[in-house]
Amino acid sequence: AQSVSQHNHHVILSEAASLELGCNYSYGGTVNLFWYVQYPGQHLQLLLKYFSGDPLVKGIKGFEAEFIKSKFSFNLRKPSVQWSDTAEYFCALTMDSSYKLIFGSGTRLLVRP
Amino acid sequence: EPEVTQTPSHQVTQMGQEVILRCVPISNHLYFYWYRQILGQKVEFLVSFYNNEISEKSEIFDDQFSVERPDGSNFTLKIRSTKLEDSAMYFCASRKEGSYNEQFFGPGTRLTVL
Repeated sequence: AQSVSQHNHHVILSEAASLELGCNYSYGGTVNLFWYVQYPGQHLQLLLKYFSGDPLVKGIKGFEAEFIKSKFSFNLRKPSVQWSDTAEYFCALTMDSSYKLIFGSGTRLLVRP
Repeated sequence: EPEVTQTPSHQVTQMGQEVILRCVPISNHLYFYWYRQILGQKVEFLVSFYNNEISEKSEIFDDQFSVERPDGSNFTLKIRSTKLEDSAMYFCASRKEGSYNEQFFGPGTRLTVL
């Protein structure tokens, strides 16, 4: 079955540290990839998306992600995190012509001031 | 900025009772979705809805579940006879026309079945 794996369930960083959250998927066909964020008490919001073209995509709030097809990965990065980045981060994909999102289990990020 | 809204934010019900969860999608969106997240588990797709029809549904979405767009603004999820295992956070999402558009999520309804 198609799946999305986020290996880091909890990450703790200090402000200004660099961030990389892993996301791998298992599907051999065409995928569209997403990172959503859920700040405490808020709803899921889109950080960035990849449909086609440049595999390095830039999103809001200084986040970026790189699609590496050969590794079935779509890791999220930010060069310098802030306390306000404390949130849960979800990697998700859609497959072929379906628009149903398949989510990873999420990574809880805590940024210490 | 327009948002997806959901009511109620928390619903407590007895096992076997019917519940209706309500969503107001963003007004110019045409595609609607329900997802759920059981505590400690992944967010799971339930159903997608377009042009007054279900376009896709998961194995979870059995005969106990139904969706409806009763008017031009609301999108509802009904669970006919709730079970303990239906306790979860239910998220509504909507998307506008076009292949490259993302889904916008509501804040969720926490359903507790006792």
